[in-house]
Amino acid sequence: EVQLVDSGGGLVQPGRSLRLSCAASGFTFKEFAMNWVRQAPGKGLEWVAGINWKGNTMGYADSVKGRFIISRDNAENSLYLQMDSLRPEDSGLYYCVKDMGVGPYLGSRLDTWGQGTLVTVSS
Amino acid sequence: QSALTQPPSASGSPGQSVTISCTGTSSDIGTYNYVSWYQQHPGNAPKLLITEVNKRPSGVPDRFTGSKSGNTASLTVSGLQVEDEAEYYCSSYAGRDKAVFGGGTKLTV
Repeated sequence: EVQLVDSGGGLVQPGRSLRLSCAASGFTFKEFAMNWVRQAPGKGLEWVAGINWKGNTMGYADSVKGRFIISRDNAENSLYLQMDSLRPEDSGLYYCVKDMGVGPYLGSRLDTWGQGTLVTVSS
Repeated sequence: QSALTQPPSASGSPGQSVTISCTGTSSDIGTYNYVSWYQQHPGNAPKLLITEVNKRPSGVPDRFTGSKSGNTASLTVSGLQVEDEAEYYCSSYAGRDKAVFGGGTKLTV
């Protein structure tokens, strides 16, 4: 069974950092692009970042570019999101999401979603 | 990188058909055939319904069909069932390694 387990969320003050992790299993992790998508409470979906299968092409939403870094460890079947200079508007449920392909067209074909990890940015 | 535009709500009776629109620009939907649709029930993660404009992943009923014309994509749900009541989101590749979602449409059956 394909499974994505998100972790690392929590309550953090504005301006501080947080690192999210996602443990993948049930598929050949290194053969697929991966993404992070977030959802503020009661709001819609927002694509945050994506990374290709090799880990050498990354894309970011304008709202997080320069503050967030997506990375992956194919040997550990893991995906990460380093979030710096956090703002209250970054609060929400962050989903780790598997792409259907290796990487072109990042974020456009999201076929498996984790359960999400909640990030709350507040003083 | 602006969000795609969806109507906030749509409705239909069981057995009827309903179409949800998703309007983008020439920089996203108008250029790329990488439009997807997702269904999200309250408290659950989204589920992929349609990818690459009109392709259904395995297990998705053929009652769900996708199409595109110019800068607008559409999702049609035929033979509405009570369990189709959910939030529906469109997304598109937007170039330069970015993707964008629509604001979501609440479908009431």
